[in-house]
Amino acid sequence: DQQVKQNSPSLSVQEGRISILNCDYTNSMFDYFLWYKKYPAEGPTFLISISSIKDKNEDGRFTVFLNKSAKHLSLHIVPSQPGDSAVYFCAARRAGNMLTFGGGTRLMVKP
Amino acid sequence: KAGVTQTPRYLIKTRGQQVTLSCSPISGHRSVSWYQQTPGQGLQFLFEYFSETQRNKGNFPGRFSGRQFSNSRSEMNVSTLELGDSALYLCASSQTGSLNEKLFFGSGTQLSVL
Repeated sequence: DQQVKQNSPSLSVQEGRISILNCDYTNSMFDYFLWYKKYPAEGPTFLISISSIKDKNEDGRFTVFLNKSAKHLSLHIVPSQPGDSAVYFCAARRAGNMLTFGGGTRLMVKP
Repeated sequence: KAGVTQTPRYLIKTRGQQVTLSCSPISGHRSVSWYQQTPGQGLQFLFEYFSETQRNKGNFPGRFSGRQFSNSRSEMNVSTLELGDSALYLCASSQTGSLNEKLFFGSGTQLSVL
């Protein structure tokens, strides 16, 4: 039972354009959501997070939107850069550090 | 400030053996959690330790165990290794493990079971 899903396994975007990565969840008990960026054989790097009491959080080029009624969140990267190419994971948290991760989306930003 | 440190970086074992992985959290961080990443199952939560006590546990068999020491360093042990245990094992730390804290990951230990 996948409680956190990233339905797009890959996404290709031109440099300078917007990248939109999506994530859906089923468990309404999740209270906090995070996005991580990951390179192969390395640990995930924290990007941005959002509490369930908010609907938007912004940090530089990264913005996360949360739609609680739809149980959907998205990560916007504007403008996209080739260095953003990596696998992006969304994660949901409801107790301690027990994160439930989505399957990841591979983002490729073309120069 | 040093990040989360995991040792060893790579490990090769054979079926039936046991293995111990080590994690040193960021200085001042008292919560340590472990995750397993495999191509088939993705990133899955193993367990979390805080103040030397296991606070949360994922859905893994009893062959997977862990502990935390008084200096917050943590070890995880896998006994009677199976081929399916081949994975990247990631350790993460945060200050107290409370809901709005950032979780910082180490680079992981790549375990191969032959």
